[in-house]
Amino acid sequence: DAGVTQSPTHLIKTRGQQVTLRCSPKSGHDTVSWYQQALGQGPQFIFQYYEEEERQRGNFPDRFSGHQFPNYSSELNVNALLLGDSALYLCASSQDRVGSEYFGAGTRLSVL
Amino acid sequence: AQSVAQPEDQVNVAEGNPLTVKCTYSVSGNPYLFWYVQYPNRGLQFLLKYITGDNLVKGSYGFEAEFNKSQTSFHLKKPSALVSDSALYFCAVRPPGGGYNKLIFGAGTRLAVHP
Repeated sequence: DAGVTQSPTHLIKTRGQQVTLRCSPKSGHDTVSWYQQALGQGPQFIFQYYEEEERQRGNFPDRFSGHQFPNYSSELNVNALLLGDSALYLCASSQDRVGSEYFGAGTRLSVL
Repeated sequence: AQSVAQPEDQVNVAEGNPLTVKCTYSVSGNPYLFWYVQYPNRGLQFLLKYITGDNLVKGSYGFEAEFNKSQTSFHLKKPSALVSDSALYFCAVRPPGGGYNKLIFGAGTRLAVHP
């Protein structure tokens, strides 16, 4: 049984570009959340998707957007990249909106 | 504001000795409490959680955590540390109500277990 998988593993972009990160949830899970982990900090909640809709959002600008597909997989999109967007982006899935979350290995984004 | 504090950036312990990683939280009501571990270049691995009931929660790899409501603390413990326990540990809380999964994390504590 595959756990939460994220792609790509690493990504390098330049300021102003756009990026898309992908996540496949653990089998049987229908809820996906995204977190940003800056260097030396704990993960910060970006948003959560359930039933293909954004259900809750953290304190992140509209440059951060997402999508959930009918198979429960999800994408995180970041527009107009800033140097400060450099971080490890973690995807977490759960069986429902309040179940225990399981995390993927993350995508490390470097913005130059 | 809702927050989680991990007062120690790093904890050093000798192999075989007991370890404690501290966590306090500031969340109204009765939150769910979690501990996760992160190894280099890896995502977060779930260790244990407290929802209700016995204040001592047992989790993976011999870890346990003690919930103290009056002190709003949820300290992670292990009776005998292993070198392989060396990693970054995160305490997290899920605020009550709302029906959503949002986790609020502490800044993390690096555990170093020396042979």
